[in-house]
This record gives sequence, structure tokens and C-alpha cells, in this order.
Amino acid sequence: NAGVMQNPRHLVRRRGQEARLRCSPVKGHSHVYWYRQLPEEGLKFMVYLQKENIIDESGMPKERFSAEFPKEGPSILRIQQVVRGDSAAYFCASSPDRAPSNTGELFFGEGSRLTVL
Amino acid sequence: GQQLNQSPQSMFIQEGEDVSMNCTSSSIFNTWLWYKQDPGEGPVLLIALYKAGELTSNGRLTAQFGITRKDSFLNISASIPSDVGIYFCAGQRLYNNNDMRFGAGTRLTVKP
Repeated sequence: NAGVMQNPRHLVRRRGQEARLRCSPVKGHSHVYWYRQLPEEGLKFMVYLQKENIIDESGMPKERFSAEFPKEGPSILRIQQVVRGDSAAYFCASSPDRAPSNTGELFFGEGSRLTVL
Repeated sequence: GQQLNQSPQSMFIQEGEDVSMNCTSSSIFNTWLWYKQDPGEGPVLLIALYKAGELTSNGRLTAQFGITRKDSFLNISASIPSDVGIYFCAGQRLYNNNDMRFGAGTRLTVKP
């Protein structure tokens, strides 16, 4: 009965390298959300995906960041050519499929903490 | 985008005391939510409010959805050490999780 699983929990990268963060949603959830949390700040929405589709990426920087949620396997948040300002905790959340709306029932993972040296 | 102002930023209280924190916005929200984040963990939903004026309790927690739909408060009664953590308010303007906006959090420390 696993919740949202994120890995790695901690990732250290040098400037210019790539970071890949993985998220397996709660079994049966088809909605995945990625949030970024900077120290002493709240969570900032980045991207919302359903299986094989990006629904809303309005919070994600247009360059260097990409996300996917393939038919099989976890959701991936990819950051290319990382810079120091990318250092943050990245949280994935999932929600159950409930029409016509889903409100607030987000189940969060434990986060992946990226440190860029 | 819509900005949520959460206060206070931090609180240091004695075990047994009551706690109150609030969230305000210049925008109207249709849903207000309160989450708690323990150190090193992801946020967990505490209370969700869906109607203006709604007052909802969850054990020692009570939260209200302001009449103007621009604010919400969370009260914790008779605090205990495990209440330590960061409390986030979140608002949804539309009925979509991708529309959710979070406050900056209230960091609560409870001294035994």
C-alpha cells in the first residue's frame, strides 16, 4: 500500500550536469503534479501531467526543464545544465481520478532534494 | 498569479497553548486547504474547506473559510510536541489541483 514514491531523496550535481527526478504515484492515481520548494518558502506549482500528456506546464521554466509521465513507469522531471539556483526540494504529488473535479486531495511524496555545487 | 500571505512566519509556544495562524489573499478562492509538513517529509492534508463561512474541525484542529473568500484561519488547541512542523495554507481559485497556490508557511515550535 505504497504512497507516492520519489527517488532519489538527495541528489548532488555540478553546474552544467543533468538531474533526473523520478516519481511513482499512488497505485491507481493517474494525475501527477510537480512542485518546487525553496528554503523558507512555500510550494510552487511547476507542472501537471496525466498519463502520456502534459496538461499544464505554466509553472515550469521554458528552458532546461521538462517533464513526462509515460504510459508505463514513473513520472520524470528532468533538469538539463543545472545551475545553482536550481537547488531546491522537488515534490511530486498525485491525486485520484475523480470527475468532474479533484480538489485538494493531493498525496505528496517525501521530496527529492537537489543540491547544485 | 494570486499571492497568499500567511502569518505568522514562525511561532514558538509552550506545550498546552493554543495556536492560531491565518492566510489572506487579494483574490477570491473557491477552496481553502491546510497542509502540515514534518521535517524531511512531504505535506499532508489536514483540512479542506469548500464553502464560504464553513467551519471545520479535525480533532484539535479547527479551520474556517472566510466569508469574503479571501482568507482562512487555522487554530490548534492544546498543542503537543508532535504539532511541530510547517503549516501551509493553500487556495484554489478554480476547481483544479493544478490551480492550487501555497502560502509561505508557518513554522511551529512547541516546547515541552
